[in-house]
Parts: sequence; C-alpha cells; structure tokens
Amino acid sequence: DQQVKQNSPSLSVQEGRISILNCDYTNSMFDYFLWYKKYPAEGPTFLISISSIKDKNEDGRFTVFLNKSAKHLSLHIVPSQPGDSAVYFCAASVKHQAGTALIFGKGTTLSVSS
Amino acid sequence: DVKVTQSSRYLVKRTGEKVFLECVQDMDHENMFWYRQDPGLGLRLIYFSYDVKMKEKGDIPEGYSVSREKKERFSLILESASTNQTSMYLCASAQKGVRTGELFFGEGSRLTVL
Repeated sequence: DQQVKQNSPSLSVQEGRISILNCDYTNSMFDYFLWYKKYPAEGPTFLISISSIKDKNEDGRFTVFLNKSAKHLSLHIVPSQPGDSAVYFCAASVKHQAGTALIFGKGTTLSVSS
Repeated sequence: DVKVTQSSRYLVKRTGEKVFLECVQDMDHENMFWYRQDPGLGLRLIYFSYDVKMKEKGDIPEGYSVSREKKERFSLILESASTNQTSMYLCASAQKGVRTGELFFGEGSRLTVL
C-alpha cells in the first residue's frame, strides 16, 4: 500500500505561470516532507522540505504547503521556467529502529513550455 | 559539496550473471541507501546501512544483497541477475542524526539485463 501518493503523472504549464504539484500521504507519523527534482540521466537533487509542525515553507520561487488534517502537501513554483521541466518526487521521512529513511512517491513530470 | 559517486553509469549484463554496483561518498556520512527507479513506480528502497557492516532491508530487498565494509563505500550485489532487475539504480548518503532525512544522490547506474 502506497504511503506517499502523487496522483498526477504529468503536468504541463506555460512559462511564467504557476506550477502546482500535489502529494498525499497516509501515515500520520511522518515528521518531515521533502521535494526532489530529477533530470533524465541524473540523480535526484533536494529542492525544499517542510516539518510536520509547519504549514508553509518558502525558498525563492518554490513554496511548499502542508495541510496535516487533509494529509496533503503541494509544491508551488512561481513563475515557472523552462529549466524547471523535470520529474518531481515527493518524499516523507520515516524513522526506523536504526535511523531515518525516505519514502518516495511515483513522481510527477513537469513540462514548462516557452 | 557532497559527492556520491557510482562506479558505472551504464551496464549491460546477461541473465544469471553476478552484478556489483559500487557507490562511494566523500562526506563521511554514516547513512547510505540503495534505491531503484522505474517508470510509473518512482523510487523504491532496496537496502540501507547506518554503519559499517550494518544493513537493513528496505521495501524490495528480494534478489539483492549489500556490503558495507568501509564507511565511505556501499555496494549493491545482484547474485543472479534477472530481466526484471533492469532498472536505474540510485545510491544515496545522509548524515546521521539529520531529522529531515535529506539524502544526497549519485548520478545513477542504468542496468540492462538481457
């Protein structure tokens, strides 16, 4: 059973507009949520994170919103740029007995057209 | 900058061959991980390690084993490769005690099993 869900496999937006990527989770014990960005033939790179005790975190053009009651988070990119075209993974941090690991969603492919 | 280096970017192997995927990180991180990425399935955790000679199973450990003889090196082993192990393999490392669980990824190793 998937604990982190990205229900939209793809999203297309025009340059300059807002991109909104969504993520739902089922485990209320997750304490951090992260977004990663991945270009083809490269490893994922960390983008932004949010603690479960916050509802918003902003870093430049990127803002992550967390709605704990709905178990939902979203990544907003404003304004979108063609270089933002990539696969975006939502991830949740979970504590194991020996440490912490990340559980990833299936990813959303964002295409930004100029 | 954290550097996670995976020894082979592209490999082609035959069914039944033993395959070694090597990963080295240069930031003295305690935690290391192996994920695989498949279209429509996202990133799935195979194995992780929180210390030398330690290993923990992830979500899909079947058909794989790992070795961590030195802190900086984490190897993924396919004892007898099968076609369903054709995938992109991603190694990652993280500093112990970081609550967010932020991972630093290598560039990936694309394995094709014929």
